[in-house]
Amino acid sequence: GNSVTQMEGPVTLSEEAFLTINCTYTATGYPSLFWYVQYPGEGLQLLLKATKADDKGSNKGFEATYRKETTSFHLEKGSVQVSDSAVYFCALHINTGTASKLTFGTGTRLQVTL
Amino acid sequence: GAVVSQHPSRVICKSGTSVKIECRSLDFQATTMFWYRQFPKQSLMLMATSNEGSKATYEQGVEKDKFLINHASLTLSTLTVTSAHPEDSSFYICSASPSGRQETQYFGPGTRLLVL
Repeated sequence: GNSVTQMEGPVTLSEEAFLTINCTYTATGYPSLFWYVQYPGEGLQLLLKATKADDKGSNKGFEATYRKETTSFHLEKGSVQVSDSAVYFCALHINTGTASKLTFGTGTRLQVTL
Repeated sequence: GAVVSQHPSRVICKSGTSVKIECRSLDFQATTMFWYRQFPKQSLMLMATSNEGSKATYEQGVEKDKFLINHASLTLSTLTVTSAHPEDSSFYICSASPSGRQETQYFGPGTRLLVL
């Protein structure tokens, strides 16, 4: 089956620190990969995505590269801000032609302090 | 664009009553909508997939008679929690896929349900 594994949080960083949140996946097929962000009390927002190997998704200073050889899609940001504090979910999707399900990781909480 | 709304955002009800949650795609047509449940500090659990004009497909372990889903139009899906009990208290999130774009899901802001 399909699954997504994320590093456990919480991750606590000082402002302007470098961020890495690891994500690896297993999939029966060729998935598209996503990072979603959830701010406190809100639903999920798509942060970035990549649809094929070696693609790099980027948005708001965050980026992640689809690595087929290591089945990974690690999220990185060079300098985090307090406003980046949120829960980050890695997810995958495989187009089955019928039902279209996203498989989520367990989420990683990021806390950025001044 | 691509906004999904949910109503209500928060609801408190007595045990034994039913609660209806609406999910609307405001600026696009959604052939497929999804309903998730999220427990505190946990990931999203897919409850069911609903396609406009047909019966919802429920995930294993989700009681279809407990969680009634209706997807009567391309912009509206409803989730009714019937005879709610305290263990149904949770954060319910819907998402919608634009017609013809299966891998894209836009999420609503969520509904927090508290059953007393």
